[in-house]
Amino acid sequence: DADVTQTPRNRITKTGKRIMLECSQTKGHDRMYWYRQDPGLGLRLIYYSFDVKDINKGEISDGYSVSRQAQAKFSLSLESAIPNQTALYFCATSTGNYGYTFGSGTRLTVV
Amino acid sequence: GNSVTQMEGPVTLSEEAFLTINCTYTATGYPSLFWYVQYPGEGLQLLLKATKADDKGSNKGFEATYRKETTSFHLEKGSVQVSDSAVYFCALRKETSGSRLTFGEGTQLTVNP
Repeated sequence: DADVTQTPRNRITKTGKRIMLECSQTKGHDRMYWYRQDPGLGLRLIYYSFDVKDINKGEISDGYSVSRQAQAKFSLSLESAIPNQTALYFCATSTGNYGYTFGSGTRLTVV
Repeated sequence: GNSVTQMEGPVTLSEEAFLTINCTYTATGYPSLFWYVQYPGEGLQLLLKATKADDKGSNKGFEATYRKETTSFHLEKGSVQVSDSAVYFCALRKETSGSRLTFGEGTQLTVNP
């Protein structure tokens, strides 16, 4: 099993729908992150969490929310999806030192 | 704020050619610097890192040297292979930013046989 698992791998949804992307990890890391990847823009941080009770906004949190249900689970929600949220979404974990472990990504298309 | 700028891509090379992908950064103090690689359909993997000025990170034939005087961390490889085709991201981390990584735009490398 992968250390960081994201579900679903691919999703097509309609404008205005609510959608949740899920991330779970077996690394035992405290810190979890959600990034969004767009061509030519690299990865931009949406939200991050240092533990279950600590949630922080990143660079581009508008239109997104998160939930840290347990140390191992960190979900990203789009309350009302819009087409410019079409992107590749990555979950990552770290210990706070140097190593980040990334999931394989969720490709989201909003039509 | 912190930022990372990579050379404009994409880059296309023939097998065994020399590779350089430029990366410069803006940050106060002494950030840690990283190169990540993303193979098609996969997440990002750490390729190499350097944590202080003049450090050289190396892995799988790739090297990058942390140059504080030029705020750069250019990625090099002497002889690329087809299997090196991927997207390469330069990134920095400041301790004061809570271990968050700031990424460059990414550079698509294609190596032809």
